[in-house]
This record gives sequence, C-alpha cells and structure tokens, in this order.
Amino acid sequence: EAGVVQSPRYKIIEKKQPVAFWCNPISGHNTLYWYRQNLGQGPELLIRYENEEAVDDSQLPKDRFSAERLKGVDSTLKIQPAELGDSAVYLCASSFGGGTEAFFGQGTRLTVV
Amino acid sequence: AQSVTQPDIHITVSEGASLELRCNYSYGATPYLFWYVQSPGQGLQLLLKYFSGDTLVQGIKGFEAEFKRSQSSFNLRKPSVHWSDAAEYFCAVGVPNAGNMLTFGGGTRLMVKP
Repeated sequence: EAGVVQSPRYKIIEKKQPVAFWCNPISGHNTLYWYRQNLGQGPELLIRYENEEAVDDSQLPKDRFSAERLKGVDSTLKIQPAELGDSAVYLCASSFGGGTEAFFGQGTRLTVV
Repeated sequence: AQSVTQPDIHITVSEGASLELRCNYSYGATPYLFWYVQSPGQGLQLLLKYFSGDTLVQGIKGFEAEFKRSQSSFNLRKPSVHWSDAAEYFCAVGVPNAGNMLTFGGGTRLMVKP
C-alpha cells in the first residue's frame, strides 16, 4: 500500500513568489494534517482536516497561507507571497480518525531566496 | 496547552551500547504518546505509541518506551544500538478526542560511534 505522497520534494523560489505543495494521503484516511518543520526543530501543526473540513487552522498564517482539501482526499497548501522565513520542510500526514497514529509523507523542502 | 521537552539535543553512543532518550511532557490528563524517527531528508517514521494499558510499549527496530505517569515521562530505550540507528528522534504528545493533533519535542540527534 502506498504511503502519504507529497510533491514536489524540493522547491527553490524567490521571495514574494507563490508556491504550492500537494499531498495525497493514504487511501481511506479521513484526517489530514499539514506540519511545518523549521531547521533543527520538531514539526508544528499548521492545519488539520476532517474529510474536506478544516477543523483546526489556528496556527496557519492566514495572511499568506491557504489550504484546501477538495473532495476530502488530496490537499494543497499554498503560500503567497513567500517570505524568507518560510524556508522549512512542509510535512503532510494522514490518519484514520482520532485515536490512531498519523503517517507522514517525506515532506517538501522549501527554500526561499 | 500541552508541551514536550526532550532535554538532550545531541547524544553519541558506541555501537552495541545501550540507549535511552528522554522525553517529558506537560498535559493535564493522560495523553497519547509517540516516538518518531527521522533520517536525513526523510519524513517521520513511527517507532511506537502509547494510548492506554501496559505502560511498557514495544516498537519496531528493537525499541521500547515506558510511560511513567508520576514523572510525566515517556523515555525511549534500546538495549544495543546499531550504526543504522543514527537519526533524529522526536517524542510527541497527542490529545485524546482532539483529532490526534501532535505536539512535538525539539528532537534528539543520535550519533553512533563505530
């Protein structure tokens, strides 16, 4: 069975440019998470989806970040415009509801120059 | 709000030696507890988890962890470390009935000497 798939793996952009990351969760997993991992730190939750509904986005910087999960499957995280401080690894994870473990993708490493 | 502390940023052990990575958490009740491992350029792989029941949890790759409620700790152990265990290890807390959102510690980087 395929795990959580993220693309692209790496992205380098200039500041003020837009960027988007894509995530395909494990089949049947209704809960999807986006985390951001700064260099040398643990991941921090940005947003959680239950099916297509964003149920916790309190840590998402809404002035420049947006996310969507159409049809409750794939998800896209967008940054517009990107800033130097957005350089990080963006991790997607999915789980089969609460009370079960989350499975992580390999992440997208974003470098803003 | 919950928090996780991993006191050791770096640990170096010799191959074949035993290992213990420390994790302390802050949460008002019994949380879900996890240990993940991250190799360079890779995502997070779950080593083991605690939801309830037996406080000594066995995981993959020969790892185990013990939940100690009185100490708010969930330390990870391995009796004999292999060179392939060199990686970053993250302890995480999940809040029951909150969609399993995880709060991670800052991580411990393990280096293994030959």
